[in-house]
Amino acid sequence: KNQVEQSPQSLIILEGKNCTLQCNYTVSPFSNLRWYKQDTGRGPVSLTIMTFSENTKSNGRYTATLDADTKQSSLHITASQLSDSASYICVVSANFGNEKLTFGTGTRLTIIP
Amino acid sequence: DTGVSQNPRHKITKRGQNVTFRCDPISEHNRLYWYRQTLGQGPEFLTYFQNEAQLEKSRLLSDRFSAERPKGSFSTLEIQRTEQGDSAMYLCASSLAGRPYGYTFGSGTRLTVV
Repeated sequence: KNQVEQSPQSLIILEGKNCTLQCNYTVSPFSNLRWYKQDTGRGPVSLTIMTFSENTKSNGRYTATLDADTKQSSLHITASQLSDSASYICVVSANFGNEKLTFGTGTRLTIIP
Repeated sequence: DTGVSQNPRHKITKRGQNVTFRCDPISEHNRLYWYRQTLGQGPEFLTYFQNEAQLEKSRLLSDRFSAERPKGSFSTLEIQRTEQGDSAMYLCASSLAGRPYGYTFGSGTRLTVV
């Protein structure tokens, strides 16, 4: 069964600090891995998307890594801001041609001043 | 085109009533997806369309749920005889086949069944 597991479930950090969120997956055949940010009551917004051949991708203060051998990914947030408070969802796409996505349950990040 | 649009944003209904949600995808996108998301969980796949054809339906999509995309543009999701367990955020997403980078979600419709 295709699964995506994220850790930690929740995280609280001080504004300005860095943090790293983890994602492990068992999705086959692998197509791509995405990180989304979801504010409360809103739809998910894409941060990064990586294919099998990519092992790192940045989007501003967000840097995602991918190890396709160990089936692990991480999302590193640098110099956190209050607006980073949100759920971060790891999503893996299986290569069935229909972009069928398997979602993790997310990490709830809270930035405190 | 400002992205994927969903209406209404919020819906409160009494148990047993029917509700219908609408999704307007990004205009050039030929694929449209419906998801359901409950609190603290990731979105769960319900169904998807390529143009007007409904190509896949999840087991989560019971007989009370029906989705249409009659002209290959906007889509509707109807829930008949709503139950309290139907309370969730219903998300729509659209994409262009073969182009995963453009996969875009709407802001969702929050359904509360009382």
